[in-house]
Amino acid sequence: SAVISQKPSRDICQRGTSLTIQCQVDSQVTMMFWYRQQPGQSLTLIATANQGSEATYESGFVIDKFPISRPNLTFSTLTVSNMSPEDSSIYLCSVVVRDAGSTNSNQPQHFGDGTRLSIL
Amino acid sequence: AQKITQTQPGMFVQEKEAVTLDCTYDTSDPSYGLFWYKQPSSGEMIFLIYQGSYDQQNATEGRYSLNFQKARKSANLVISASQLGDSAMYFCAMREGGTGGFKTIFGAGTRLFVKA
Repeated sequence: SAVISQKPSRDICQRGTSLTIQCQVDSQVTMMFWYRQQPGQSLTLIATANQGSEATYESGFVIDKFPISRPNLTFSTLTVSNMSPEDSSIYLCSVVVRDAGSTNSNQPQHFGDGTRLSIL
Repeated sequence: AQKITQTQPGMFVQEKEAVTLDCTYDTSDPSYGLFWYKQPSSGEMIFLIYQGSYDQQNATEGRYSLNFQKARKSANLVISASQLGDSAMYFCAMREGGTGGFKTIFGAGTRLFVKA
């Protein structure tokens, strides 16, 4: 498994501002993801953070709104830009640690504790 | 496209009894993994159990077992001897093993209430 540290743990922001969330992992991981969990909802994948290249975004999410950086195999940031009340959610960083002999499908994802974001 | 369905928004169970949380899925990939996660009110996501599409036996982890019925495309979570601390949100999740790139999708979740 991996220890994932996410900062900040929570924040209250003004409409129209931007916030950058950091995710630090205690080991090198190939696969890193960002999820959003709106109040009372399930987890929705925002994007896959690719090391050294642009993130791969899911349908409904765009780079201008959610720019992602992944400068190395242990760190990533997600920025929520030009925030509105609809962006109030928990944002979670997640990684998959590939063990020797693992396949694409059999390694669980590990999550950070999330960032609870409220927009006024 | 892959899809996960959890049809029980909420479930109640008496302490010390067993409970089954339903999960059905849909995929065209013959290789896939199924996962269950627990999310207590504190918000963290806790991995509980995994079942691979080629596994012959149902997965078990302590009080958790997965009732895997491949033909029905169902992967129900069974919690035996429920405890008050089991009260939480439970998510079923799936990852395809092809070229999906480790992308995992989650069901809508089931909120479990354990009664004393």
